[in-house]
Amino acid sequence: DIQMTQSPSSLSASVGDRVTITCRASQNITNYLNWYQQKPGKAPKLLIYAASSLQNGVPSRFSGSGSGTHFTLTISSLQPEDFATYYCQQSYSPLLTFGGGIKVEIK
Amino acid sequence: QVPLVQSGADVKKPGASVKVSCKASGYTFTRYDVTWVRQATGQGLEWMGWMNPNTGNTGYAQKFQGRVTMTRNTSISTAYMELSSLRSEDTAVYYCARLNKYNRNCDIWGQGTMVTVSS
Repeated sequence: DIQMTQSPSSLSASVGDRVTITCRASQNITNYLNWYQQKPGKAPKLLIYAASSLQNGVPSRFSGSGSGTHFTLTISSLQPEDFATYYCQQSYSPLLTFGGGIKVEIK
Repeated sequence: QVPLVQSGADVKKPGASVKVSCKASGYTFTRYDVTWVRQATGQGLEWMGWMNPNTGNTGYAQKFQGRVTMTRNTSISTAYMELSSLRSEDTAVYYCARLNKYNRNCDIWGQGTMVTVSS
């Protein structure tokens, strides 16, 4: 299976901060990388697909980049509603895998 | 109209099986694969497997091979996930999701079903 590693496991930030989250794959997954946001008690929500494409309805402050094994999710100006846990997921292999998640907390 | 509606919470004893349903609406059920993901309390997302509702073909994560079965009833646009030989570690929220056919991302999610395994 392809392993997905996210770092750091959590981070503290303030409203208005620029936040960057990293995800690494254990092998080349080209651009088959998706990002999700999850708030407590809710199902995950798709933010970014194919590494850098914004899902319909997702604010433009979210962006994704990367290819191969190294990917990033950036929030350009953190808003109060963005405090949540973020997961990456590879869809290169038919056997999908998620990263461990990164919790973005209020500083 | 909510696209994916799952069955309600369930409590099972160790060793039993649980079957969770996921009813699709608002799109053609047989055109998109369905995947299942679970999440233990305070833990991350764990992918379990996928099913093609048109053919019935499946693919399971190695961890669940032999214990999980994903099926469907196309006449009522419903997917099912059955997990057997339950143990306490299987206590989790189980989600179904629609897999986008081009990028295989989970673009629509069910609301989740809490399964508790307790004696």
